[in-house]
Amino acid sequence: DAGVIQSPRHEVTEMGQEVTLRCKPISGHDYLFWYRQTMMRGLELLIYFNNNVPIDDSGMPEDRFSAKMPNASFSTLKIQPSEPRDSAVYFCASSLKGGVVTDTQYFGPGTRLTVL
Amino acid sequence: GDSVTQMEGPVTLSEEAFLTINCTYTATGYPSLFWYVQYPGEGLQLLLKATKADDKGSNKGFEATYRKETTSFHLEKGSVQVSDSAVYFCALGVSNFGNEKLTFGTGTRLTIIP
Repeated sequence: DAGVIQSPRHEVTEMGQEVTLRCKPISGHDYLFWYRQTMMRGLELLIYFNNNVPIDDSGMPEDRFSAKMPNASFSTLKIQPSEPRDSAVYFCASSLKGGVVTDTQYFGPGTRLTVL
Repeated sequence: GDSVTQMEGPVTLSEEAFLTINCTYTATGYPSLFWYVQYPGEGLQLLLKATKADDKGSNKGFEATYRKETTSFHLEKGSVQVSDSAVYFCALGVSNFGNEKLTFGTGTRLTIIP
């Protein structure tokens, strides 16, 4: 099993540019999660999907952030326009049925984003 | 709201030392508790979990006991190895009308020196 795949692994961009992060969940997993990790705030849940439908996006910091899941094997997190404070490591995770008690989230290796 | 407080890092120990990383939580419901580990350059991996009070989770020599009376879930290992160097995250999860979310602590960086 290839695990959760994220691309790119590193992204450096300039303030104001659009950034798109990509995620391929583990095949057969119904849930997909996007997290952001920073030194100041730790690991925060941004949004999660169930069967390609967004369930909870209350963690999305502002309208500059958007996430889509057009099919079961692909999701994107887009930041437009990007700002230096968006610099962080962004993780994607997937789980089979989503239950925090009964299930396990599998994390990708993350995308380290630097906005200059 | 739900929250997790972890021992501040970094923590540096010698090989074969005893490890404790403290974790306490606040939750409105009946949470399950988790420890995740993040090795350098990798994503988080589930290390162990406990789903109800007095349960003990264990894996790879690590243990943690769900203590409802002290709202704690401290991670312990009797004899650490260099390969245990990583960042450790305590987390809680509460099932809430189909809304399944994990709340993480800020992480504790552990370095084991030979």
